[in-house]
Amino acid sequence: AQKVTQAQTEISVVEKEDVTLDCVYETRDTTYYLFWYKQPPSGELVFLIRRNSFDEQNEISGRYSWNFQKSTSSFNFTITASQVVDSAVYFCALSEVGGNKLTFGTGTQLKVEL
Amino acid sequence: DAGITQSPRYKITETGRQVTLMCHQTWSHSYMFWYRQDLGHGLRLIYYSAAADITDKGEVPDGYVVSRSKTENFPLTLESATRSQTSVYFCASILAPNEQFFGPGTRLTVL
Repeated sequence: AQKVTQAQTEISVVEKEDVTLDCVYETRDTTYYLFWYKQPPSGELVFLIRRNSFDEQNEISGRYSWNFQKSTSSFNFTITASQVVDSAVYFCALSEVGGNKLTFGTGTQLKVEL
Repeated sequence: DAGITQSPRYKITETGRQVTLMCHQTWSHSYMFWYRQDLGHGLRLIYYSAAADITDKGEVPDGYVVSRSKTENFPLTLESATRSQTSVYFCASILAPNEQFFGPGTRLTVL
């Protein structure tokens, strides 16, 4: 069975600090997708990134970066120079390639304060 | 506007009543999903559908019924609501390979 663990329930940082959200996953599949979603206080779920298990290159998008390490089954998310607008719940998720069901972690509440 | 709509957005009901949550997509995506979000559990899959008239159970299907007579609609029914079904419910469809696009959610309270 697939499992996603986000051990950090809540993180508080001061604006402009860097913050890393951890995600550890378990799967028996050799090919799979990993995802990050953002849920701002308004409640909608916003897609951030999808990563194929064959692609271990790190990705950077503006202040966001993702570190995928297959050897440790981790897919961590770093926000550089955090801003108040980054305050949200962030979910890591996993799906098998060819399948479509997502397995979510329990989420990390990020609070960015002035 | 294209996308996923859910109705109602907020619902308060009583234990034992039947409740139907609606989900409508303006695309023609084959796959649709229902998740529930609860504190400490993240999102958990209730039911999904690969096409019209094809549905299957997810992780937490007990107490729920789904149907899909048309590709664009995927209603979720709580046959006899219980307090444990108080939750936020999200509908989703596949926007790109393995990428799910979520509706705005329905907040359901069962008294």
